[in-house]
Amino acid sequence: DTEVTQTPKHLVMGMTNKKSLKCEQHMGHRAMYWYKQKAKKPPELMFVYSYEKLSINESVPSRFSPECPNSSLLNLHLHALQPEDSALYLCASSQRDGSGNTIYFGEGSWLTVV
Amino acid sequence: GENVEQHPSTLSVQEGDSAVIKCTYSDSASNYFPWYKQELGKRPQLIIDIRSNVGEKKDQRIAVTLNKTAKHFSLHITETQPEDSAVYFCAASRSGGSNYKLTFGKGTLLTVNP
Repeated sequence: DTEVTQTPKHLVMGMTNKKSLKCEQHMGHRAMYWYKQKAKKPPELMFVYSYEKLSINESVPSRFSPECPNSSLLNLHLHALQPEDSALYLCASSQRDGSGNTIYFGEGSWLTVV
Repeated sequence: GENVEQHPSTLSVQEGDSAVIKCTYSDSASNYFPWYKQELGKRPQLIIDIRSNVGEKKDQRIAVTLNKTAKHFSLHITETQPEDSAVYFCAASRSGGSNYKLTFGKGTLLTVNP
């Protein structure tokens, strides 16, 4: 089973709201990722967690706050977002954090900031 | 850092024809090259990958070739079908410490006309 599950599928939030995106995988993967994808663009890496520790932050604004409660779960907390943050947010996982490990993407959460 | 160039940006073929998408990379230390297919509104899905110790890999109608000397790799789809219509992303990564970075090309929109 190569399933990465994301909730919610769609989210509309105001610029003063606080919301969270959730991601879950049960493949025993020890690396989890958040990507952001704008229309007609490739996925853009935001964060990498390796063995539940944050290993990469691609200079993401602090209004995005990741959290990895355990090896199966990954959250992205959103606060005071801007309209330009509207995008598809993809969670992904791989067996390990290293080149050659296949990255499996979730279906994504479509975020609209109004 | 790594830079991946992908061509063409759009490709239109007739059903049954072959399609070829080409990518070049800049970092000679890159050693893993996956290809993802993303249908409209859906997640990127791995369709084939190749590692630097192999020159060619085939899976039914899909094949990938790698030329390490020239630093380019290509996706070949034979006997195209309308369901092959999607955006295809190439990517490259290298080993480096404990961090993992997958650099994507800008994508190719493939349209297969029935």
